[in-house]
Amino acid sequence: KAGVTQTPRYLIKTRGQQVTLSCSPISGHRSVSWYQQTPGQGLQFLFEYFSETQRNKGNFPGRFSGRQFSNSRSEMNVSTLELGDSALYLCASSSGGTLPQETQYFGPGTRLLVL
Amino acid sequence: GDSVTQMEGPVTLSEEAFLTINCTYTATGYPSLFWYVQYPGEGLQLLLKATKADDKGSNKGFEATYRKETTSFHLEKGSVQVSDSAVYFCALSTQTSYDKVIFGPGTSLSVIP
Repeated sequence: KAGVTQTPRYLIKTRGQQVTLSCSPISGHRSVSWYQQTPGQGLQFLFEYFSETQRNKGNFPGRFSGRQFSNSRSEMNVSTLELGDSALYLCASSSGGTLPQETQYFGPGTRLLVL
Repeated sequence: GDSVTQMEGPVTLSEEAFLTINCTYTATGYPSLFWYVQYPGEGLQLLLKATKADDKGSNKGFEATYRKETTSFHLEKGSVQVSDSAVYFCALSTQTSYDKVIFGPGTSLSVIP
């Protein structure tokens, strides 16, 4: 089975621009979660989508948004980029059940640099 | 709220040394506990997990036991290798958080020959 894939792997943008990142989950997985990883804040949960609906949301401003398509692929969008948005953005997929032992499988991440 | 605390390091060990990375958690209910590893330039990989008290997760020589009485999930390995150099994250998820995983700050491990 192919793993979680994320595109692009690297991205350079300037302040004020917007960016869209893409994530394709493992085949059969219906849940996709997004995380931001920075040296200062560590790994922080952004949001989670299940069956095209946002099921969980972290504490990020409205500039961060996402969506999920009927094939479970997900995109996240960041508008009006700020320098502090420079980070590694990780996507994770799982089968999406409601049991806490469901394992999340992570993609390699998209490294975003905002200049 | 739910949280995970772990020693931040960096930890430097010689090859074949014994490794312990401490992890404690605070959670409502009965969380599942995980250790993830991140090698340089890569995403996170699940190393092991435990879903109930006294469960022992193990993989690649690493092991951790879910201790409810001390709310801990310490990672151990008897003999580390240079290839184990990575950042290790302790994490939890709860029944109320579905696929929202809460991570500790990560512990950087360097193993020198």
